[in-house]
Amino acid sequence: GAVVSQHPSRVICKSGTSVKIECRSLDFQATTMFWYRQFPKQSLMLMATSNEGSKATYEQGVEKDKFLINHASLTLSTLTVTSAHPEDSSFYICSANPNRNNEQFFGPGTRLTVL
Amino acid sequence: DQQVKQNSPSLSVQEGRISILNCDYTNSMFDYFLWYKKYPAEGPTFLISISSIKDKNEDGRFTVFLNKSAKHLSLHIVPSQPGDSAVYFCAASVRQAGTALIFGKGTTLSVSS
Repeated sequence: GAVVSQHPSRVICKSGTSVKIECRSLDFQATTMFWYRQFPKQSLMLMATSNEGSKATYEQGVEKDKFLINHASLTLSTLTVTSAHPEDSSFYICSANPNRNNEQFFGPGTRLTVL
Repeated sequence: DQQVKQNSPSLSVQEGRISILNCDYTNSMFDYFLWYKKYPAEGPTFLISISSIKDKNEDGRFTVFLNKSAKHLSLHIVPSQPGDSAVYFCAASVRQAGTALIFGKGTTLSVSS
């Protein structure tokens, strides 16, 4: 199956700092990647759709200036949480579609803790 | 409004028995459905999918059934094993690649030996 990696797997930062999370498709190219967020005991909530070479599409209620997404290549999308606050603490997961039907493959996730 | 619903937050089953996880959806535009398994602090792992042109898809111990008229699908695991204990998410989308998945809230399956 397709492999998606994320880095870092865990990050702890101070309030007000920015954190960058990388999502890579290791054995396929992905023109589209997705970023999800999961709070404890909640479902995966789609934050944004990352499109290679163009602007990301954000879901309603997700601040695009706070969650900056860059999809500069067919194998890499980055999510930057700017001026992070404790309420941004969550589990962030990316997924990518190797263009076989719509079977998305997920990265292992990044646990962000903002102190 | 939730478009994908998993109304049972948890399910307990004995090893060797059948596990049946249910999922309902409201959006008639959905034509592709997937089941994912997830452990804490890990990303979801794809299990099985089904398109709306089928009513059943089987892969080893996992079978997904789709009832379009009822907007209902279910995942059957037979026989259940302790290693199946995890959170199972139902997801739906339109089949076209590049569209986002809409997830249910998940069902925690516990299989006891």
